[in-house]
Amino acid sequence: NAGVMQNPRHLVRRRGQEARLRCSPMKGHSHVYWYRQLPEEGLKFMVYLQKENIIDESGMPKERFSAEFPKEGPSILRIQQVVRGDSAAYFCASSPAGRQGNQPQHFGDGTRLSIL
Amino acid sequence: DAKTTQPPSMDCAEGRAANLPCNHSTISGNEYVYWYRQIHSQGPQYIIHGLKNNETNEMASLIITEDRKSSTLILPHATLRDTAVYYCIVRVEGNNRLAFGKGNQVVVIP
Repeated sequence: NAGVMQNPRHLVRRRGQEARLRCSPMKGHSHVYWYRQLPEEGLKFMVYLQKENIIDESGMPKERFSAEFPKEGPSILRIQQVVRGDSAAYFCASSPAGRQGNQPQHFGDGTRLSIL
Repeated sequence: DAKTTQPPSMDCAEGRAANLPCNHSTISGNEYVYWYRQIHSQGPQYIIHGLKNNETNEMASLIITEDRKSSTLILPHATLRDTAVYYCIVRVEGNNRLAFGKGNQVVVIP
């Protein structure tokens, strides 16, 4: 049973370019979460999506960041006009439908974004 | 979500049980206790969670005190591969996010 798949594992971009991070949830999971981990810090929640809907984006920076989870295909976290401060590990998690307090989130191994 | 307090680090002997404490004195009745761990450069790995009762699975046991103000994660036979940062997280029913603190850096020593 495949786990949460993220790609690419490593992504290098120059300042001003766009970064696209992909996440395929576990089979049967319809809820996707994105977290960011800055160097030497803990994970911080960014956004929670269900198919075709953003449910909670309270942790997303107001500008340059967007996320989607289309009806078909993986969830995408998009960062426009990247800056050095965007360098971090970005983790995706998924969970099945149901009462979310009682549903564990399962994480992928992340995308490590480096900005030159 | 209620705040949790963990020791910043601890050492455990290989082959022995590892008891990882967590305080969550402000926990509410509808908040679950979750445990994750993160091995260097990997994503967080779900270990176990519980509400009131003690829980056990193939990885660990979770002991929650009767007043629910603290809990202990028990790794029954620690191995070197259990070296990781362990996070105790309290999550309210219906809340989407997991609030990761600094965690407990556990090192299993041969």
